[in-house]
Amino acid sequence: AQSVTQLDSHVSVSEGTPVLLRCNYSSSYSPSLFWYVQHPNKGLQLLLKYTSAATLVKGINGFEAEFKKSETSFHLTKPSAHMSDAAEYFCVVFQGGGRRALTFGSGTRLQVQP
Amino acid sequence: EAGVAQSPRYKIIEKRQSVAFWCNPISGHATLYWYQQILGQGPKLLIQFQNNGVVDDSQLPKDRFSAERLKGVDSTLKIQPAKLEDSAVYLCASSPVTGEETQYFGPGTRLLVL
Repeated sequence: AQSVTQLDSHVSVSEGTPVLLRCNYSSSYSPSLFWYVQHPNKGLQLLLKYTSAATLVKGINGFEAEFKKSETSFHLTKPSAHMSDAAEYFCVVFQGGGRRALTFGSGTRLQVQP
Repeated sequence: EAGVAQSPRYKIIEKRQSVAFWCNPISGHATLYWYQQILGQGPKLLIQFQNNGVVDDSQLPKDRFSAERLKGVDSTLKIQPAKLEDSAVYLCASSPVTGEETQYFGPGTRLLVL
Protein backbone atom coordinates (compact mmCIF):
# COMPACT_ATOMS: atom_id res chain seq x y z
CA ALA A 1 0.00 0.00 0.00
CA GLN A 2 1.10 3.54 -0.63
CA SER A 3 1.54 6.07 2.15
CA VAL A 4 2.85 9.55 2.86
CA THR A 5 4.64 10.91 5.91
CA GLN A 6 4.59 14.61 6.71
CA LEU A 7 7.72 15.26 8.70
CA ASP A 8 6.53 18.34 10.60
CA SER A 9 3.23 18.73 12.41
CA HIS A 10 3.77 22.49 12.85
CA VAL A 11 5.83 25.01 10.89
CA SER A 12 6.11 28.68 11.81
CA VAL A 13 7.59 31.30 9.49
CA SER A 14 7.67 35.07 9.30
CA GLU A 15 5.77 36.87 6.59
CA GLY A 16 7.96 37.32 3.53
CA THR A 17 10.28 34.40 4.32
CA PRO A 18 10.39 31.07 2.45
CA VAL A 19 8.09 28.17 3.27
CA LEU A 20 9.17 24.51 3.25
CA LEU A 21 6.70 21.74 4.14
CA ARG A 22 8.21 18.28 3.96
CA CYS A 23 6.61 15.09 2.70
CA ASN A 24 8.05 11.64 2.05
CA TYR A 25 6.12 8.96 0.24
CA SER A 26 6.21 5.21 0.08
CA SER A 27 5.17 3.50 -3.13
CA SER A 28 6.07 0.41 -5.08
CA TYR A 29 5.71 2.29 -8.35
CA SER A 30 5.51 5.85 -9.62
CA PRO A 31 2.76 7.48 -7.60
CA SER A 32 0.41 10.37 -8.17
CA LEU A 33 0.98 12.93 -5.44
CA PHE A 34 -0.97 15.97 -4.34
CA TRP A 35 -0.86 18.82 -1.90
CA TYR A 36 -4.16 20.07 -0.51
CA VAL A 37 -4.71 23.08 1.76
CA GLN A 38 -7.42 23.44 4.38
CA HIS A 39 -8.26 26.84 5.82
CA PRO A 40 -10.22 26.95 9.10
CA ASN A 41 -13.85 25.95 8.63
CA LYS A 42 -13.37 25.54 4.89
CA GLY A 43 -13.13 22.59 2.57
CA LEU A 44 -9.95 21.10 1.18
CA GLN A 45 -8.55 22.90 -1.83
CA LEU A 46 -6.16 21.38 -4.34
CA LEU A 47 -2.83 23.24 -4.45
CA LEU A 48 -1.03 21.12 -7.01
CA LYS A 49 -0.57 17.58 -8.27
CA TYR A 50 2.19 15.43 -9.72
CA THR A 51 1.28 12.73 -12.23
CA SER A 52 4.65 11.70 -13.74
CA ALA A 53 5.06 14.60 -16.13
CA ALA A 54 7.45 17.38 -15.05
CA THR A 55 9.12 16.74 -11.70
CA LEU A 56 8.73 20.39 -10.68
CA VAL A 57 5.07 21.15 -10.29
CA LYS A 58 3.68 24.64 -9.99
CA GLY A 59 0.44 25.22 -8.15
CA ILE A 60 -1.82 28.01 -7.10
CA ASN A 61 -0.87 30.98 -4.90
CA GLY A 62 2.84 30.73 -5.73
CA PHE A 63 3.36 27.23 -4.29
CA GLU A 64 5.41 24.57 -6.02
CA ALA A 65 6.63 21.08 -5.24
CA GLU A 66 9.43 18.93 -6.58
CA PHE A 67 9.12 15.18 -7.02
CA LYS A 68 12.45 13.49 -6.14
CA LYS A 69 12.32 9.78 -6.77
CA SER A 70 15.81 9.13 -5.35
CA GLU A 71 14.76 10.70 -2.05
CA THR A 72 11.10 9.59 -2.19
CA SER A 73 10.15 13.15 -1.37
CA PHE A 74 7.58 15.67 -2.52
CA HIS A 75 8.28 18.82 -0.52
CA LEU A 76 6.11 21.91 -0.86
CA THR A 77 7.77 25.32 -1.12
CA LYS A 78 6.92 28.96 -1.56
CA PRO A 79 9.51 31.75 -1.89
CA SER A 80 7.69 34.28 0.27
CA ALA A 81 5.00 33.55 2.85
CA HIS A 82 1.87 35.62 3.11
CA MET A 83 -0.42 35.90 6.12
CA SER A 84 -3.20 34.28 4.09
CA ASP A 85 -1.06 31.13 3.73
CA ALA A 86 -1.71 30.20 7.36
CA ALA A 87 -3.62 26.91 7.15
CA GLU A 88 -3.32 23.13 7.39
CA TYR A 89 -1.51 21.45 4.50
CA PHE A 90 -1.91 17.81 3.52
CA CYS A 91 0.36 15.69 1.37
CA VAL A 92 -1.70 13.06 -0.41
CA VAL A 93 -0.97 9.96 -2.49
CA PHE A 94 -3.39 8.42 -4.95
CA GLN A 95 -3.74 4.72 -4.41
CA GLY A 96 -4.33 3.01 -7.72
CA GLY A 97 -5.52 -0.49 -8.45
CA GLY A 98 -9.02 -1.51 -7.47
CA ARG A 99 -9.44 0.92 -4.61
CA ARG A 100 -8.40 4.13 -6.39
CA ALA A 101 -8.55 6.33 -3.31
CA LEU A 102 -6.62 9.21 -1.82
CA THR A 103 -4.49 8.53 1.25
CA PHE A 104 -3.77 11.63 3.30
CA GLY A 105 -0.80 12.45 5.48
CA SER A 106 -1.36 13.68 9.01
CA GLY A 107 -1.06 17.33 8.03
CA THR A 108 1.27 20.26 8.72
CA ARG A 109 -0.09 23.38 10.34
CA LEU A 110 1.58 26.48 8.89
CA GLN A 111 1.69 29.59 11.04
CA VAL A 112 2.76 32.89 9.50
CA GLN A 113 3.99 35.53 11.92
CA PRO A 114 3.71 39.22 11.02
CA GLU B 1 -19.59 25.92 -11.68
CA ALA B 2 -21.07 25.21 -8.28
CA GLY B 3 -18.93 23.24 -5.87
CA VAL B 4 -19.75 20.28 -3.67
CA ALA B 5 -22.58 21.15 -1.27
CA GLN B 6 -22.99 19.65 2.18
CA SER B 7 -25.51 20.12 4.96
CA PRO B 8 -25.79 20.67 7.78
CA ARG B 9 -22.52 22.48 8.46
CA TYR B 10 -22.64 21.74 12.18
CA LYS B 11 -24.44 19.18 14.30
CA ILE B 12 -24.43 18.45 18.01
CA ILE B 13 -26.05 15.27 19.28
CA GLU B 14 -25.92 13.03 22.32
CA LYS B 15 -24.42 9.58 22.17
CA ARG B 16 -26.76 6.83 21.01
CA GLN B 17 -28.74 9.32 18.90
CA SER B 18 -28.93 9.14 15.12
CA VAL B 19 -27.68 11.70 12.62
CA ALA B 20 -27.66 12.08 8.85
CA PHE B 21 -25.51 14.16 6.54
CA TRP B 22 -26.30 15.17 2.98
CA CYS B 23 -24.00 15.79 0.03
CA ASN B 24 -24.66 17.09 -3.47
CA PRO B 25 -21.62 16.64 -5.74
CA ILE B 26 -20.54 18.79 -8.63
CA SER B 27 -22.94 18.34 -11.53
CA GLY B 28 -21.94 15.48 -13.78
CA HIS B 29 -19.42 13.96 -11.39
CA ALA B 30 -19.85 10.21 -11.39
CA THR B 31 -17.73 9.37 -8.36
CA LEU B 32 -18.59 10.45 -4.82
CA TYR B 33 -16.58 9.95 -1.64
CA TRP B 34 -17.24 10.31 2.08
CA TYR B 35 -14.29 10.97 4.38
CA GLN B 36 -14.02 11.21 8.15
CA GLN B 37 -11.53 13.72 9.55
CA ILE B 38 -10.86 13.42 13.27
CA LEU B 39 -9.31 16.47 14.91
CA GLY B 40 -5.57 16.60 14.29
CA GLN B 41 -5.59 13.91 11.61
CA GLY B 42 -5.87 13.71 7.85
CA PRO B 43 -9.14 12.65 6.25
CA LYS B 44 -9.82 8.93 6.04
CA LEU B 45 -11.97 7.42 3.31
CA LEU B 46 -15.19 5.85 4.54
CA ILE B 47 -16.96 4.95 1.30
CA GLN B 48 -16.68 5.52 -2.44
CA PHE B 49 -19.56 5.44 -4.94
CA GLN B 50 -19.42 5.16 -8.71
CA ASN B 51 -22.80 6.46 -9.87
CA ASN B 52 -25.18 4.67 -7.48
CA GLY B 53 -22.97 1.64 -6.82
CA VAL B 54 -20.48 1.14 -3.99
CA VAL B 55 -16.87 0.81 -5.16
CA ASP B 56 -15.19 0.63 -1.75
CA ASP B 57 -16.67 0.58 1.74
CA SER B 58 -13.92 -1.39 3.44
CA GLN B 59 -13.28 1.37 6.01
CA LEU B 60 -16.94 2.01 6.84
CA PRO B 61 -18.01 0.80 10.32
CA LYS B 62 -21.05 -0.98 9.01
CA ASP B 63 -22.51 -1.77 12.41
CA ARG B 64 -23.41 1.90 12.83
CA PHE B 65 -22.66 3.76 9.60
CA SER B 66 -24.62 3.54 6.37
CA ALA B 67 -24.58 5.50 3.14
CA GLU B 68 -26.60 5.60 -0.01
CA ARG B 69 -26.63 7.32 -3.38
CA LEU B 70 -29.90 6.13 -4.80
CA LYS B 71 -30.16 8.12 -8.01
CA GLY B 72 -26.45 8.45 -8.65
CA VAL B 73 -26.43 12.13 -7.72
CA ASP B 74 -26.70 13.26 -4.12
CA SER B 75 -25.84 11.06 -1.17
CA THR B 76 -26.62 10.66 2.51
CA LEU B 77 -24.38 9.30 5.26
CA LYS B 78 -26.06 8.10 8.45
CA ILE B 79 -24.74 7.18 11.87
CA GLN B 80 -27.00 5.14 14.13
CA PRO B 81 -26.33 5.04 17.04
CA ALA B 82 -23.60 7.63 17.44
CA LYS B 83 -20.62 7.17 19.75
CA LEU B 84 -18.36 9.78 21.32
CA GLU B 85 -15.52 8.76 19.00
CA ASP B 86 -17.64 9.68 15.96
CA SER B 87 -17.00 13.36 16.71
CA ALA B 88 -15.25 14.54 13.56
CA VAL B 89 -15.67 16.49 10.36
CA TYR B 90 -17.38 14.50 7.62
CA LEU B 91 -16.19 15.53 4.19
CA CYS B 92 -17.82 14.77 0.88
CA ALA B 93 -15.84 14.86 -2.36
CA SER B 94 -16.53 14.14 -6.00
CA SER B 95 -14.56 13.50 -9.16
CA PRO B 96 -15.66 13.42 -12.80
CA VAL B 97 -15.00 9.77 -13.62
CA THR B 98 -13.57 6.69 -12.05
CA GLY B 99 -9.81 6.84 -12.33
CA GLU B 100 -9.74 10.62 -12.24
CA GLU B 101 -7.43 11.29 -9.36
CA THR B 102 -8.34 14.88 -8.54
CA GLN B 103 -11.15 15.15 -6.04
CA TYR B 104 -13.15 18.26 -5.21
CA PHE B 105 -14.19 18.65 -1.59
CA GLY B 106 -17.19 20.20 0.09
CA PRO B 107 -16.94 22.37 3.23
CA GLY B 108 -17.71 19.43 5.53
CA THR B 109 -20.12 18.76 8.38
CA ARG B 110 -18.69 19.15 11.86
CA LEU B 111 -20.26 16.61 14.23
CA LEU B 112 -19.94 16.76 18.00
CA VAL B 113 -21.23 13.81 19.99
CA LEU B 114 -21.76 14.52 23.69
